[in-house]
Amino acid sequence: QKEVEQDPGPLSVPEGAIVSLNCTYSNSAFQYFMWYRQYSRKGPELLMYTYSSGNKEDGRFTAQVDKSSKYISLFIRDSQPSDSATYLCAMSEQAGTALIFGKGTTLSVSS
Amino acid sequence: GAVVSQHPSRVICKSGTSVKIECRSLDFQATTMFWYRQFPKQSLMLMATSNEGSKATYEQGVEKDKFLINHASLTLSTLTVTSAHPEDSSFYICSASRVAGEDEQFFGPGTRLTVL
Repeated sequence: QKEVEQDPGPLSVPEGAIVSLNCTYSNSAFQYFMWYRQYSRKGPELLMYTYSSGNKEDGRFTAQVDKSSKYISLFIRDSQPSDSATYLCAMSEQAGTALIFGKGTTLSVSS
Repeated sequence: GAVVSQHPSRVICKSGTSVKIECRSLDFQATTMFWYRQFPKQSLMLMATSNEGSKATYEQGVEKDKFLINHASLTLSTLTVTSAHPEDSSFYICSASRVAGEDEQFFGPGTRLTVL
């Protein structure tokens, strides 16, 4: 079983839709959870960063962490064509250590 | 702030040659740099962790004699793929942390290596 599972999609939605992206993990020691956006042939860009359980909101993006279920989510409200990208979840046990990534979900938002 | 650059962005080389990839933190000092490899439609896989002035720590299955990492300064780490073969063709991405214990990592734009 891989440490981090993420459905690769692709996921296609119309502009304005609410998008839900999810990852599950098996390592209960993970404490730091991140979502990255990666455009084709580019490096990942940090979107959201959460420590331990709870919700965090930033503009149209909301990140949720449920450590009891080992499940994290990223919600995108009012999705835009510019949101079309691959979204990677990542997590680590300790601050400053290497990240374990999910496979990434490819999202396409059509206008 | 917190910009990480990589050079070159793309390189094509013949099998058997060595290729050096540079990772620079442009506006901060990076105590730790990480090297990842990403195959098409796959996740980023950690190759090694390097701290300035010390030997890199390689992940299981990564050959340290093939992927030489040097972290000679707080702003520069290099990855040299020695005697490259077509199976080494991949997208190599570095990331850097500003201070020890800070979890946010800043990623470079990546280097696409193609070995003919």
